[in-house]
Order: sequence, then C-alpha cells, then structure tokens
Amino acid sequence: NAGVTQTPKFQVLKTGQSMTLQCAQDMNHEYMSWYRQDPGMGLRLIHYSVGAGITDQGEVPNGYNVSRSTTEDFPLRLLSAAPSQTSVYFCASSLDINSPLHFGNGTRLTVT
Amino acid sequence: GEDVEQSLFLSVREGDSSVINCTYTDSSSTYLYWYKQEPGAGLQLLTYIFSNMDMKQDQRLTVLLNKKDKHLSLRIADTQTGDSAIYFCAEKLEGGGNKLTFGTGTQLKVEL
Repeated sequence: NAGVTQTPKFQVLKTGQSMTLQCAQDMNHEYMSWYRQDPGMGLRLIHYSVGAGITDQGEVPNGYNVSRSTTEDFPLRLLSAAPSQTSVYFCASSLDINSPLHFGNGTRLTVT
Repeated sequence: GEDVEQSLFLSVREGDSSVINCTYTDSSSTYLYWYKQEPGAGLQLLTYIFSNMDMKQDQRLTVLLNKKDKHLSLRIADTQTGDSAIYFCAEKLEGGGNKLTFGTGTQLKVEL
C-alpha cells in the first residue's frame, strides 16, 4: 500500500516556466488537498477537493490551478512560476472530511 | 480569526519527558491534531483529540486539552533520539470541511 505518492521530489524552475506537481493516492480517499510549507509559517492550504470533479480554493490559491478528474489523482499546476512559489509542497488525503489527513513526502520546488 | 501558535524549539535529554505546547484562538475547533515531521519527510499523524475530551493517552504520548484556555499540549514520556523532529499542532474548525490550520512547528532536539 503506497499511500500518498508525490512526484517529483525536487524541482528547479526558472521564473515564468510552468509545471505540474503530481499527487496520487491508492487508498480510495475522497478528500485531497495541497499545502505549502514555508519557514516560520507552518503549512498553508492552497486548494482542496472533496471528490472527483469538485475542487475549491484554500487560503493561498493565487498562481495555482488544480483538477480532480479521478479519485486517485490531484495534480497541482503552476502556470507561470514566480520566486515567491519557492516552497515545499505537500499533498494530503483523507477518507472523508471527518477523517485524519495522510500526507505525502513532499516536493521541494525552487524558482530562480 | 484562526491562529495557532507554538514555541519554535525544545531541547531535552534522552530519557526525560518532553512537553510541547500549542495555543489556538478559535473556540469552534472540532478536532486538534499532532503531526511529526522528520527531515526530508512528510507529516506523520501522531494522535488527535476531539474537542469535547480533555485528555488522550496513547503509549508514550499524552495529549492534554484545556478548552477554557485554548491550550493543547503533547507529552512524550521517556524521550528517545528517534523522537527528534518537528512537531506540528493543527486544528480543524466546525464547518470547515477537512481544512486544517497549522502551527509553525516546534523543533524537538533530544540530546544524549
């Protein structure tokens, strides 16, 4: 049982480039979410999804897009990367909105 | 508004007890969580407590919740070097779906 899998582990982008951070879970979890972790700020919610076909914005959604075409996958897209998006990104999932979150191991993104 | 605060650092000797503290401002919390993050890894759920409880014990871990003072603590008995990590508390608010508000994390260092 792989749990929550994030790829890539590390990525360096130049300002203005685009990329997609992948997140997949094999636990048949309905709820999935993306957080970013910055020093001294804890984790902040970017976007979340309560089920396939449904997404919504979190605390810091600007500059990011998401989609949820399947239950298993919840990719996070950066359309035009900015240095302010340098961070560690975590994907998390839960069985439903009342169950604890399970986190992936993160993607460390640097934008130069 | 939502605000979760933790002290940044805690250093203890191996075999001693560690107490990590957390304060929060929103009284509509439903669940409060403790997560552990080891270097380069994701967040691992340690334990959680429902807001109508005041204590929960799980092996070496004891969670105390004081709702009146909005104070949460995590006690680790017989602290080991493997407990060195960053510990995050997080709250889930009533009606907030599965969105968590995280503290900034407490780095626990266990010395021999």
